[in-house]
Amino acid sequence: GDSVTQTEGQVALSEEDFLTIHCNYSASGYPTLFWYVQYPGEGPQLLFRASRDKEKGSSRGFEATYDKGTTSFHLRKASVQESDSAVYYCALSGAGNTGKLIFGLGTTLQVQP
Amino acid sequence: GALVYQYPRRTICKSGTSMRMECQAVGFQATSVAWYRQSPQKTFELIALSTVNSAIKYEQNFTQEKFPISHPNLSFSSMTVLNAYLEDRGLYLCGAPTGNTEVFFGKGTRLTVV
Repeated sequence: GDSVTQTEGQVALSEEDFLTIHCNYSASGYPTLFWYVQYPGEGPQLLFRASRDKEKGSSRGFEATYDKGTTSFHLRKASVQESDSAVYYCALSGAGNTGKLIFGLGTTLQVQP
Repeated sequence: GALVYQYPRRTICKSGTSMRMECQAVGFQATSVAWYRQSPQKTFELIALSTVNSAIKYEQNFTQEKFPISHPNLSFSSMTVLNAYLEDRGLYLCGAPTGNTEVFFGKGTRLTVV
């Protein structure tokens, strides 16, 4: 079945560091790929999504490019801030716009001032 | 913009009792609503997918008898946790897609069972 793999469980950085969180997926066709951010006590907030090969999604300085060749959708940010500390989830949806998503296990980002 | 509201944000119920939670879409039509449970370990479990005017599809390990769902119109859905026990605790989320494939979530209902 479809799956999403996030290789980093936890990432610890200092402010202004460069961030990369790796996301690889397994699915047939062209799934829509998402990045969500979740703060303590809240539901996941959509950062952005991409639906086509080479499409780049971006929001709040974060970006990721859909790469069907490597089945990846890695999250990057050039300069992180302490307020970026949160849990980040990569997700995919298959055929049909139903709201049914498959999530990765999440990456906890801790940014020190 | 598109928003999803969930109510209540937190609830505590005694073991063996039931509680109902609500999900409201604002600014868009929620043709489909997906209910999830996020465990204390932070993993997401899909409970069921509800589409207006269609049968509700429950995932393995979740049943209508335990988690009955109502989705009467394009802006509202509710789910009840019947006979709640310790293993039912967690953050219950509803997510709904907009017309351009974005999927928005509410802030969740956190269920504590005592």
